[in-house]
Parts: sequence; structure tokens; C-alpha cells
Amino acid sequence: SQQGEEDPQALSIQEGENATMNCSYKTSINNLQWYRQNSGRGLVHLILIRSNEREKHSGRLRVTLDTSKKSSSLLITASRAADTASYFCATDAWGAQKLVFGQGTRLTINP
Amino acid sequence: DAGVIQSPRHEVTEMGQEVTLRCKPISGHDYLFWYRQTMMRGLELLIYFNNNVPIDDSGMPEDRFSAKMPNASFSTLKIQPSEPRDSAVYFCASSQWTGGRINQPQHFGDGTRLSIL
Repeated sequence: SQQGEEDPQALSIQEGENATMNCSYKTSINNLQWYRQNSGRGLVHLILIRSNEREKHSGRLRVTLDTSKKSSSLLITASRAADTASYFCATDAWGAQKLVFGQGTRLTINP
Repeated sequence: DAGVIQSPRHEVTEMGQEVTLRCKPISGHDYLFWYRQTMMRGLELLIYFNNNVPIDDSGMPEDRFSAKMPNASFSTLKIQPSEPRDSAVYFCASSQWTGGRINQPQHFGDGTRLSIL
């Protein structure tokens, strides 16, 4: 079963607006990662946040982590058409060097 | 760096045929992962290797699936015999362990889109 569950499944916004995606997970984690997947391509790593961190920034990306609620959010500010993609959260699994991916959020940025 | 290279990019074959997917990880990476992606089941981990040794193959769906990593720069995923329900996009990814318990980012290839008729 999936460790991470993204919400919403699909999101459509206008260019320039902010996009927020959420991820919930079930068990304790050491870290949580976010990935982007453009149509027909492989996943690309965006950002990693450790369990002892609450917030992390990378360019227009802002990730938060609330371990008490077992949830994370990804905020993309000032969205661009090129941000159109699917976004996945991934959590580590019981200390093993493998990740468990959620089902993803399909983000569409309308020009 | 060339990134993770997968071949072929597309494969169409008839049910019952043997299918071999290939992957070249990033040089210096010591972990290699095989995933399968479908609309219904999302991204599933099939098997992963550490230093060419299979660590966890619990995601391999059936005995029809097998994976090998004969050296640090090459891995194969084989399906024999193939069935229509094996149709999916298969991804290979690699990562480099730098110590500790933090999973390092995985670098994905662009996948092989497999269609079994």
C-alpha cells in the first residue's frame, strides 16, 4: 500500500498563482522527498526535508513538514506554464534505502 | 553526467514473448531501483540492488519477472513470458549512499513504455 497520499489528485490554476499540494503518510519517517514528473519523462528530485526540519525552501518551492500530523505540503509560488507536471511525495520505508511514492498530484498551469 | 540511461524507450511485443529492459545507472551510484508505473497502481518498486546485490525483491509481481545486475554499470529486467497486464512504463533509478539513515535523492531514467499485445 502507498505510504504517501497526495491531495488533491488534480489541480488547475492560472499562471502566476500559487499552487499548494499536500501529502499525508502513515508511519514514522527519517525524511520526505518531493519529485516532479513531466509527461513522458522520468521523475526529477525537487527537495528533501528531514524529519527534524519544519520548513525548507528552494527557489520558488517551499516545503513544510509536520511530523505530529504526518503531513507535508509543497507550495509553488508564482506558477509558470513550465510547472505543469505531476508532483509526488516519497517517504523512506523503515530505514531502508528505498522510497515509497504516493499517487501524485497532477498540476496544470493555464496561461 | 549522462544521467540514468534506459533502453529501449518503447517496446511493443506480443503476449508470450520475452522482454528485456536495460538500464545504465549513473557512474558511482551504488543503489539501483526498478519501478513500474501504471494509472491504476501508480509507481511501484519492483526490486532494488546495493553494490550489484539484490536487497529487496518483494515487489516483483511473479516468477515471470527477473532482474540482474552483473556489474555496477548495467542492469536488466526481464519478463518471460510477457502478458498484456505487464503493459506499463518501467523506470530505472539510481542513487548514491552517503552514510547515515537519510535516503539520498533518486535519479530516474526516462523509462521504457512497454505494450504487450
